[in-house]
Amino acid sequence: RKEVEQDPGPFNVPEGATVAFNCTYSNSASQSFFWYRQDCRKEPKLLMSVYSSGNEDGRFTAQLNRASQYISLLIRDSKLSDSATYLCVVLLGNNDMRFGAGTRLTVKP
Amino acid sequence: DAMVIQNPRYQVTQFGKPVTLSCSQTLNHNVMYWYQQKSSQAPKLLFHYYDKDFNNEADTPDNFQSRRPNTSFCFLDIRSPGLGDAAMYLCATSSPRLASPIQQFFGPGTRLTVL
Repeated sequence: RKEVEQDPGPFNVPEGATVAFNCTYSNSASQSFFWYRQDCRKEPKLLMSVYSSGNEDGRFTAQLNRASQYISLLIRDSKLSDSATYLCVVLLGNNDMRFGAGTRLTVKP
Repeated sequence: DAMVIQNPRYQVTQFGKPVTLSCSQTLNHNVMYWYQQKSSQAPKLLFHYYDKDFNNEADTPDNFQSRRPNTSFCFLDIRSPGLGDAAMYLCATSSPRLASPIQQFFGPGTRLTVL
């Protein structure tokens, strides 16, 4: 089993749609959780950290369920500029960051 | 201003010819990472330094080595590149002592082509 698994995608949605990505992780000792965004041929950039209480940043909402070892990202009112690959990232101990394979999102006019 | 700098941005080498990729940071972060990312795949951690302590991933080939002469610089040496080593190599930093939760900052990457 992979340490971090994500929806395979790709997701193709119209502008204005709401889209949700899921991620599961295998190591129950995982400490911190993040969503990164990666544009084509660019480096990953932090989108948001994920907290147990859930957190929201504008159109983006992240949720963490430690019992189910599950993380989600919800994007509301999708924009063309949201088109990218979204990477689920889990911090294990020893500063060890593990990445999911990413889910590609394409928002179309 | 760039905080994590990678040079060169594009590197072409020949099969078997050693190559060194460099990473420097202006953040004074104590942890530096090297990742390999192939097309449509997740970044794969090769190794990381916590200060001077080197942490190698179990499945990182011996062909890949790293050096960290000081806090600011970290190098990735590929001793005998094979065709399968063509990828984007990403350097990242973090500072557990400064931030909670830990956030990684990535450089722009070096795209390696092996001929």
